[in-house]
Amino acid sequence: EVQLVESGGGLVQPGGSLRLSCAASGFSFSSYNMNWVRQAPGKGLEWVSYISGNGRTIYYTDSVKGRFTISRDNAKNSLYLQMNSLRAEDTALYYCARDTGGTYGRDHDAFDIWGQGTMVTVSS
Amino acid sequence: SYDLTQPPSVSVSPGQTASITCSGDKLGDKYVFWYQQKPGQSPVVVIYQDDKRPSGVPERISGSNSGNTATLTISGTQAMDEADYYCQAWHSSTVVFGTGTTVTVL
Repeated sequence: EVQLVESGGGLVQPGGSLRLSCAASGFSFSSYNMNWVRQAPGKGLEWVSYISGNGRTIYYTDSVKGRFTISRDNAKNSLYLQMNSLRAEDTALYYCARDTGGTYGRDHDAFDIWGQGTMVTVSS
Repeated sequence: SYDLTQPPSVSVSPGQTASITCSGDKLGDKYVFWYQQKPGQSPVVVIYQDDKRPSGVPERISGSNSGNTATLTISGTQAMDEADYYCQAWHSSTVVFGTGTTVTVL
């Protein structure tokens, strides 16, 4: 079964750090670009970051640049998001999502597989 | 920054047609994707590359994209179609989601 399972969320104080993980199974992980998407409680979807299958191309939304770092370990079929200097506005459910861009020879296409999400709460 | 604007809500009677618009500058020049999200669940792609349906998505769901507006159309709307819908596009090395539309089946 094709699956993504996030972990690592929790309650953290403002200015603190967390590392999210996303374990992939059921597909050739290294062949797919991956993304992190977040959703604040009761709000819409917000894209956070992208990483190519080989890890060489990375993009971030402006609000997390310099604070968050996306990475992957293809040998472990895992995606990561290191989050530093956390703010209250980073409070959200964080999803990892598989990008089908490689299937079409592009950087990005539909997000066809999503995890169940891991909740990050930034509060004192 | 690039913005994708959707109506906050759309109401439709069972069996009728619901149309959800997504507006953005020169959106027709980009591929648009649509996601359905039901309460407590992760999003699911229902339309990719403007008008293609993934396997398992019913034929009553369709998409189009031209000019500055993309449209998701649900024909013969059923109670199971009640959900939040988000459009998405790629712009200048970033992914942009629309503001989201709640479809209510009355």
